[in-house]
Amino acid sequence: QLQLQESGPGLVNASETLSLTCTVSGDSISSSSSNSYWGWIRQPPGKGLEWLGNIYYIGTTFYNPSLKSRVTISVDTSNNQFSLKLSSVTAADTAVYYCARGTYYPSLDYWGQGTLVTVSS
Amino acid sequence: QSVLTQPPSVSGAPGQRVTISCTGSSSNIGADYDVHWYQQLLGTAPKLLIYGNNNRPSGVPDRFSGSKSGTSASLAITGLQAEDEADYYCQSYDSSLSVVVFGGGTKLTVL
Repeated sequence: QLQLQESGPGLVNASETLSLTCTVSGDSISSSSSNSYWGWIRQPPGKGLEWLGNIYYIGTTFYNPSLKSRVTISVDTSNNQFSLKLSSVTAADTAVYYCARGTYYPSLDYWGQGTLVTVSS
Repeated sequence: QSVLTQPPSVSGAPGQRVTISCTGSSSNIGADYDVHWYQQLLGTAPKLLIYGNNNRPSGVPDRFSGSKSGTSASLAITGLQAEDEADYYCQSYDSSLSVVVFGGGTKLTVL
């Protein structure tokens, strides 16, 4: 059974960079179906879902244009992980951040439990 | 506001049928991009309910079904159960914005 787990600081200072890692277990990122993609989604407290971006194991990325200049997603196949970096954070970036996998774009069939990141001013 | 419009809330009694609409435009649903649906129970991660407009992942009861027509899509839930009380989100792709989009979410209350 595929499992995903987010990890990283729960508190980030304003103007700094938010960094999260998603560890995948139960399957290898690089041996997954060639159409598998790995994504990051966030949800501000009490609000809806926002797509941040996704990556294929070969490194191809797609980012939300509203965040494109601040977001970077990368994959580390040797550790079976993929990561999110969001620079110059503000209070508006406070949210639960989810990592997920999909095979039928852009649906996501496996999700991590989510991790709350609070931006402190 | 979201590119995909959902009603903020719907409700129904146990055993009833409810539908949740997702209204888009010619740059997303109307451009023939697929619609996907998620269920989010309180305090948990979203769960994929419907993919590709009307397909259920393994393990999702057939009480849940999806449809799409023109610039809109719908999620139908029959035989409503107390455990169905959750937030529901639709998802698609918008070619004008070049981004994956979610609806604003609909809170389902089982009376």
